[in-house]
Amino acid sequence: AQTVTQSQPEMSVQEAETVTLSCTYDTSENNYYLFWYKQPPSRQMILVIRQEAYKQQNATENRFSVNFQKAAKSFSLKISDSQLGDTAMYFCALKDSGTYKYIFGTGTRLKVLA
Amino acid sequence: DADVTQTPRNRITKTGKRIMLECSQTKGHDRMYWYRQDPGLGLRLIYYSFDVKDINKGEISDGYSVSRQAQAKFSLSLESAIPNQTALYFCAAGNPNTEAFFGQGTRLTVV
Repeated sequence: AQTVTQSQPEMSVQEAETVTLSCTYDTSENNYYLFWYKQPPSRQMILVIRQEAYKQQNATENRFSVNFQKAAKSFSLKISDSQLGDTAMYFCALKDSGTYKYIFGTGTRLKVLA
Repeated sequence: DADVTQTPRNRITKTGKRIMLECSQTKGHDRMYWYRQDPGLGLRLIYYSFDVKDINKGEISDGYSVSRQAQAKFSLSLESAIPNQTALYFCAAGNPNTEAFFGQGTRLTVV
């Protein structure tokens, strides 16, 4: 069975600093997708970044980037120049290319401090 | 306009009542999902559907049922609500090569 583990329930970072959120996963599939979603207090689920497993290059979206280590089954999210609006719950997710189910981690609550 | 719309946004119901949560999407995604979010547990899959004739149980389907009335509509029912079904419920839609697009969530409280 596929699993996603986020081992940091809560983190905090000073505004303008850099923070890294950890995610590890397990799957027997060779083709899959990985995602980071942000859930602000509005509770909306917002896609932050996605990574296709067959791509070696790490995905980047403005201040957000990932460190994708396929062999280690690790998918961490780096937020640079943290802003107050980055305060949210962050979920790591794996999409199984066989069943197309999305499997989520338990989330990391990030607080950006002024 | 939101790709995925859920109704209601919030609902309080009594133990034993039947309740339906509705979800519709406007982008023609063939796959639709219902998730439940609880503090410390993340999002857990209740049911998912690949088309109107294909319904699949997720990891926590007991006590729930679903109906895919059309490609664009996927409803979740609690036949007899119980307090431990109090949670935030999300509907999502997507295609094989896309991310999941989520609705705004339904906060359900069973008293």
